[in-house]
Amino acid sequence: GESVGLHLPTLSVQEGDNSIINCAYSNSASDYFIWYKQESGKGPQFIIDIRSNMDKRQGQRVTVLLNKTVKHLSLQIAATQPGDSAVYFCAEYWDYKLSFGAGTTVTVRA
Amino acid sequence: SAVISQKPSRDICQRGTSLTIQCQVDSQVTMMFWYRQQPGQSLTLIATANQGSEATYESGFVIDKFPISRPNLTFSTLTVSNMSPEDSSIYLCSVETQRNTGELFFGEGSRLTVL
Repeated sequence: GESVGLHLPTLSVQEGDNSIINCAYSNSASDYFIWYKQESGKGPQFIIDIRSNMDKRQGQRVTVLLNKTVKHLSLQIAATQPGDSAVYFCAEYWDYKLSFGAGTTVTVRA
Repeated sequence: SAVISQKPSRDICQRGTSLTIQCQVDSQVTMMFWYRQQPGQSLTLIATANQGSEATYESGFVIDKFPISRPNLTFSTLTVSNMSPEDSSIYLCSVETQRNTGELFFGEGSRLTVL
């Protein structure tokens, strides 16, 4: 089975609210954890990553949290915008390869 | 960053035929990867294609079904052989520009429908 997975397949968010997307992983040896965004008809796009020796990393409107104790990863999007509507994948990098989780579809309501 | 072009962007194929997907990158890269994304699903790694060596296939994927070429540092092809409807998927080419980071750049994908 997959070593990386997401808790919820869909998330509906009011425009302007914060979004939280969760992910569970099982491989403690992974070097990096990465979030990707895939818009309809396009390839995945890198959002942000976090090294396995970090707990938190912030980008522009996004924050990734890593809890190694419970093997949990989350992506927080601040002030969600219509352009944030997409499928979000967590992925783990290990053994020179990237493995993707199941994906969460985020829909932003106007 | 890297700009990746894939051809064809989509195609409808007959059962039993083969189709070759091309991937062109705008810069030289060492690591290229081919992924499959079945409808409504996540991405699954098919193989890693490094220039000058044979591709390395993941469990469940074999060279006879998915032969890959990597003639230089900017180009690769993936062939889907003897297609069946189960091969209907999006096939994505990706590259890693910074070694060992997991930051991949993806093409737009090639959407294949097998009748």
